[in-house]
Amino acid sequence: DGGITQSPKYLFRKEGQNVTLSCEQNLNHDAMYWYRQDPGQGLRLIYYSQIVNDFQKGDIAEGYSVSREKKESFPLTVTSAQKNPTAFYLCASSRRTNYLSSGNTIYFGEGSWLTVV
Amino acid sequence: AQSVSQHNHHVILSEAASLELGCNYSYGGTVNLFWYVQYPGQHLQLLLKYFSGDPLVKGIKGFEAEFIKSKFSFNLRKPSVQWSDTAEYFCAAQGYGGATNKLIFGTGTLLAVQP
Repeated sequence: DGGITQSPKYLFRKEGQNVTLSCEQNLNHDAMYWYRQDPGQGLRLIYYSQIVNDFQKGDIAEGYSVSREKKESFPLTVTSAQKNPTAFYLCASSRRTNYLSSGNTIYFGEGSWLTVV
Repeated sequence: AQSVSQHNHHVILSEAASLELGCNYSYGGTVNLFWYVQYPGQHLQLLLKYFSGDPLVKGIKGFEAEFIKSKFSFNLRKPSVQWSDTAEYFCAAQGYGGATNKLIFGTGTLLAVQP
């Protein structure tokens, strides 16, 4: 079945450590995204990538880094510079919008819970 | 700046009551609009979407939404809610025809349906 796989589902991080959340998709989608969900704040965009080897900062990119070396993979690193990393992280993907097409539905993974201990 | 506003943060209804959740967007140019739902302990699912055409969109589980361009609104409705509709609902807007698919979410509305 096609879909988006995030791992790990639960992750504990010590203060000062970097951690990387994995996101893999087999939907042949060009675009991939990372969102963060906090209570009362909804979903906020961290980074997105429209194509391999290219990515853009979202609204809350500080303290995070990404890479897009392969179409299927868009890992997110939560660095020690992220002041409040405890949150639920959602990866998503979609086909790329262009001027000739209508919008494309975005598909979500099941999410990763990150807790700082 | 692009934004999506959901007016109600918490809504409590009794079963069989009618539901309307407000959503307004601020977005230059053409937008696509979505409602997503997240049931307790589950991941986000698409309820319905509007890309073009009939502004009244029907989704899964008896939900519908109406796109009113003059009001920049995309309110979600259901004539009669059930206990199983208890969930968090997110409105989202996506730019169309530009360099990005960036999807902007509202802050969510938590709906609790009392049996």
